[in-house]
Amino acid sequence: DVVLTQTPVAQPVTLGDQASISCRSSQSLVHSNGNTYLEWYLQKPGQSPQLLIYKVSNRFSGVPDRFIGSGSGSDFTLKISRVEPEDLGVYYCFQATHDPYTFGAGTKLELK
Amino acid sequence: EVQLVESGGGLVQPGRSLKLSCAASGFTFSNYYMAWVRQAPKKGLEWVATISTSGSRTYYPDSVKGRFTISRDNAKSSLYLQMNSLKSEDTATYYCARHLHGFDYWGQGVMVTVSS
Repeated sequence: DVVLTQTPVAQPVTLGDQASISCRSSQSLVHSNGNTYLEWYLQKPGQSPQLLIYKVSNRFSGVPDRFIGSGSGSDFTLKISRVEPEDLGVYYCFQATHDPYTFGAGTKLELK
Repeated sequence: EVQLVESGGGLVQPGRSLKLSCAASGFTFSNYYMAWVRQAPKKGLEWVATISTSGSRTYYPDSVKGRFTISRDNAKSSLYLQMNSLKSEDTATYYCARHLHGFDYWGQGVMVTVSS
């Protein structure tokens, strides 16, 4: 199974700062059809997860442009510029290239 | 507005069965793959199952394969998860999700507790 390793486990931030989360895969996430099915989700406290980014860098409808996904192959990053209070929570990367689909263990974005 | 509402959770003994339901509204249900994702208490997310638009194709991780069955009724805009031979490690909140470019809409989740 594909293992997604997220770092850091926790990211203390000051509001207005930039935050960066890494997601490294145990194998390439490039599908045979050429797409890379790497997604990012945010789970705010007490809420269901919500989709932020799909196929590495595409923002889902309504997601602010301060969320930027990047990367290729097996190395991916989510950057959040100018962190706002509503951005706090746990971020998960997820791959749907290889069966079984797998999530990373999560990165908690929290206030310093 | 897209809505997904899960039901059917509860307390069940190990080895018994339970069936979850998810009622969908606000979109053409039959046009979308659907999925179940779960989250054990204080733990991360785990993908549990995905079903194609017609229901002809289903996908599971090894942790539930052979015990769980995902199904759908497009006429009723409903998704189901039949869970058999339940184990304590199946204790989790189960989310129904629409699966297009990622899991783009999620339900509020339903709790399943497997305990004697």
